Formats: sequence, C-alpha cells, structure tokens
Amino acid sequence: DVKVTQSSRYLVKRTGEKVFLECVQDMDHENMFWYRQDPGLGLRLIYFSYDVKMKEKGDIPEGYSVSREKKERFSLILESASTNQTSMYLCASSRWGNTDTQYFGPGTRLTVL
Amino acid sequence: ELKVEQNPLFLSMQEGKNYTIYCNYSTTSDRLYWYRQDPGKSLESLFVLLSNGAVKQEGRLMASLDTKARLSTLHITAAVHDLSATYFCAVDSAASKLTFGTGTRLQVTL
Repeated sequence: DVKVTQSSRYLVKRTGEKVFLECVQDMDHENMFWYRQDPGLGLRLIYFSYDVKMKEKGDIPEGYSVSREKKERFSLILESASTNQTSMYLCASSRWGNTDTQYFGPGTRLTVL
Repeated sequence: ELKVEQNPLFLSMQEGKNYTIYCNYSTTSDRLYWYRQDPGKSLESLFVLLSNGAVKQEGRLMASLDTKARLSTLHITAAVHDLSATYFCAVDSAASKLTFGTGTRLQVTL
C-alpha cells in the first residue's frame, strides 16, 4: 500500500513565522503535490514536482515555496505566515505518467494567529 | 483555464434511494478521477476513468465518463449511511496535474 505521511496533523503558528510542512512517500513516486483545502473552494494546487530538485507552480503559489532534495520528500514552506494561510494542507504523490491516481496524506491543519 | 463544477454541492438522501452526482468540466480531457473524503480525514481514491465511455463500479457506486459532453456522473444505488462523505471529482488538465471540483457533501439519513 502507498503511504504518504505528513509531519504534523495540527500546527499553530504566529503571523510572520516561517513554517515548514513536510511530506514523505514510500512508494518511489516521481510526482508530488501540495494542495490547500478550504470550505467551498475544494482543493487548490499550490506547487508540484515531477522529480528531485524540480518544481512547478500550481494555481495559487503566492506566499509559498517548496523544496525537493530527495525523491521521497517534498516540503512546503511559508516564508512569512499570514492569517489567510490558515487552512488544511494536503500532500499527494503519484507515479510518472498521467493514468495513475494521486495518493493523499492525512493533511496538516495549520492555524496562523 | 480548466474549471470543474460539481452539483449538487450538498445532497441529503434517504437510505435505500438512488441519486446521481454530476461533474462538468470546461476543457477537453479524457482522464477523470473520483475521490471520497470522510470528515476530518484525507482523500481516498474511488475511481479512475481514462477514456470516453469508461464505466467503473464498486459496490453501490458507479462512475461514468462522457468526454464529448465533458461530463462525469457518480451514481449511488440504494444508499446506505456508510456512504455519507464528501465526494470530489478531479480532471487531469496536463501531465498529472489535477483540477478538483468543490465537492459534494452527501448525507444519508435513515
């Protein structure tokens, strides 16, 4: 079974702090993704990566950056957290190619005060 | 820009009844995915539809894809309480990048 894990289930940070969200997958997937989920808006793609050290902007990259130094790990960074980044963050991974589903981690609920 | 619309957004149905959730999308694609999310949990893959006319069934759920109409349906047969969840469709816009609908919250009542 594919397993995608995220470093924290719940996180509370203060405005202006630098925040790191970590995601690890154990199935040697090439693709990894970061989404945020907000009520009434569904899931919106922040960044994704097709390979180590590669990254592509999604639909809402502003205020975020990512890092992928190893194939199994994809980090989302909030350089200076703001209250409008309070959200549920979901990481996903999939195999290369476009016929495989994405496998999701349990999510991190981030609150920025 | 690809847009994915689901309707209804909220569905309350009685056990034993049938209903259909619709997923419309705005640009050409022949890859569509359905996911389920239970409250407080992450997304679980239900179906992968990869061509026009594709139909997949699992238990009381059946999904189909009409790429010409840019429409997918998720049909629920004889609903049971365990099916209460939020259902998302997602369309592959380019190279494994998915665009999600806003979700349909299904509540099955006795």
